Amino acid sequence: EVQLVESGGGLVKPGGSLRLSCEASGFTFSSYNMDWVRQAPGKGLEWVSSISSSSSYMYHADAVKGRFTISRDNAKKSLFLQMNSLRVEDTAVYYCARDPPGVHGFDIWGRGTLVTVSS
Amino acid sequence: QSVLTQPPSVSAAPGQKVTISCSGSSSNIGQNYVSWYQQLPGTAPKLLISENNRRPSGIPDRFSGSKSDTSATLGITGLQTGDEADYYCGAWDSGLNAGVFGGGTKVTVL
Repeated sequence: EVQLVESGGGLVKPGGSLRLSCEASGFTFSSYNMDWVRQAPGKGLEWVSSISSSSSYMYHADAVKGRFTISRDNAKKSLFLQMNSLRVEDTAVYYCARDPPGVHGFDIWGRGTLVTVSS
Repeated sequence: QSVLTQPPSVSAAPGQKVTISCSGSSSNIGQNYVSWYQQLPGTAPKLLISENNRRPSGIPDRFSGSKSDTSATLGITGLQTGDEADYYCGAWDSGLNAGVFGGGTKVTVL
């Protein structure tokens, strides 16, 4: 079964750090671009970051640029999001999503992991 | 404010048709594929349409997508109560080098 499972969310104070992970199974992970998308409580979807299949290209939304870093380990079929200098407005459910090359259409989504930034 | 513009809500009776518009610009919809997602309450988004008009395996043909210039449209025919959800359009923006979404449209079955 094709599956993405996120982990690493939790409660953190403003200015703190978290590292999210996404474990893939059921498909050739190294053949796909991967993305993080977040959704604040009661709000719409917001694209966060994208990484190409071989990590040649990485992109981040302006809202997180300089604070978040996307990375991946193809040998371990895992995607990561290192989040530093967290702000209250980063509170959201973070989804990882599979992104077939050339399409930028997210065909597989994980269930998400909740990040809460609060003092 | 979202880069792609969608109406906040649409509604229709069971069995009827609804369309959801998604308006963008030359740097996103104008030169890249549009995708559509359905998000049922309390669940992760699900891909409905990719590459402007392609339905993934398992998506009923009641759902259709189209694109013209800098706008795209999602159509849902034979509306069912199970179609009540939030729907989002998305694309890559080559000017921003970023993914962009619409603000979402809530579909209500009357």
